[in-house]
Order: sequence, then structure tokens, then C-alpha cells
Amino acid sequence: QLQLQESGPGLVKPSETLSLTCTVSDDSISSSTYCWGWIRQPPGKGLEWIGSAYFSGSFYYNPSLASRVAISVDSSKSEVSLRLTSVTAADTAVYYCARQQVVVVAQRGDFDSWGQGALVTVSS
Amino acid sequence: DIQMTQSPSTLSASVGDRVTITCRASQRISSELAWYQQKPGQAPKVLIYKATRLESGVPSRFSGSGSGTEFTLTITSLQPDDFATYYCQHYNSYSPYTFGQGTKLEIK
Repeated sequence: QLQLQESGPGLVKPSETLSLTCTVSDDSISSSTYCWGWIRQPPGKGLEWIGSAYFSGSFYYNPSLASRVAISVDSSKSEVSLRLTSVTAADTAVYYCARQQVVVVAQRGDFDSWGQGALVTVSS
Repeated sequence: DIQMTQSPSTLSASVGDRVTITCRASQRISSELAWYQQKPGQAPKVLIYKATRLESGVPSRFSGSGSGTEFTLTITSLQPDDFATYYCQHYNSYSPYTFGQGTKLEIK
């Protein structure tokens, strides 16, 4: 069964860069059936999609974050990475890595597997 | 961008009840909608995809309906394990993926 594990610093200073890595336990990272997304959830609030990326290198970001975000897929390491620059307290959240079905291939586009999440606090 | 609006925000019900949660999209999204369940301290889990398709392993008391702009999630015969927060999410490729604000299902 697929497992996703987020890792990275739990505390980031304002104006600095948030970096997280998601380790994927199986070889679905190289499958054209899937892409890889990051979703975040501020404490006590709802879910916000950050962006999704394919192992081919293409990506799709939330326009509200696009100027600050980068997501990459490294199939050789079975890792999906998230970078978010110039963070503020508003970026404090649990960050989830998730596998997303590719609509044109799988006829569905939901996030079918999620990591447990990583809490990142932005504070000096 | 497509906005997703869920109602109600909070729902109180008892074990054995039948409940319905509604999700409305600000534009037509065909059947490109999923429903998730989230329990405190846990990641969301997909229940329904393509508006009506039950994810493997999800109990049959969960069902989804709708297309276009209006969708519903129905849970028949509520079980203690069902008390959680539920989110809808669209995956229409022409708009950033967005989630509804969530519906918290509480024990009455």
C-alpha cells in the first residue's frame, strides 16, 4: 500500500523559504496515471490546494501562490519537493503531500492517497 | 476561479440517522467532484470521486449524487465512526482546484 511521508523543518522564520520533501513508497511516482500535489490546512481551518506536478516536469499552481511556490518530482529519489518563498505567519499550516489521479488518463482527478501531514510554523 | 460552497457548515445528528451535505459550484463542473472525510489529527480520505463513484473500501452507506453545479453527499444509517468533517473538491482542469469550506458532522 502506498505511503507518503512529509519531512522538513517545523519552524521557519518570516521572509525565509519553506522547504518540504515527500517520500513516496512505491514506483507510482513515475506513472503517467498520477501527478503529485501539495495541500495545506491552517490550524482550525479548511483545505487549500497549493499546486500539483508531474514526473515529466510540468506543473500547475494555485494562482494565489504561484509567484512564491515551486513543486518538483524526482523519480530517481522517489521524492516530491515543495518550496515556498517569502513566508509570513499566514503560511503557518499543516502541509500535506498527496497523490492525484490524472483526469485524462484515469477519468478521475481526486487526491487518492495522502501523507500524514507536516506542521510548519512561521515565527521569528 | 470556481468557488465551492458547502451547506450546512455544521450538522448535528444521531447514530442511525440519514444525513445529506450539499456542495454547490459557482460554474458547471460536469461530474468532476470528490468528497473527503477528515477526522481530527488525520489527513483527509477520499470517499467519492467523479461525483457518484464510491472509492474502494468505503462503506456503501456513503453515496454521492449530482452533476453540473449541485452535488450531495448522503450517509445512511450514521455510525459512530462517521462523525468527522467532510469536504467537497472540484478538479475541473480550467480552474484552480478548490475545496469547499467543510461541514462538521457532530453527535446530537
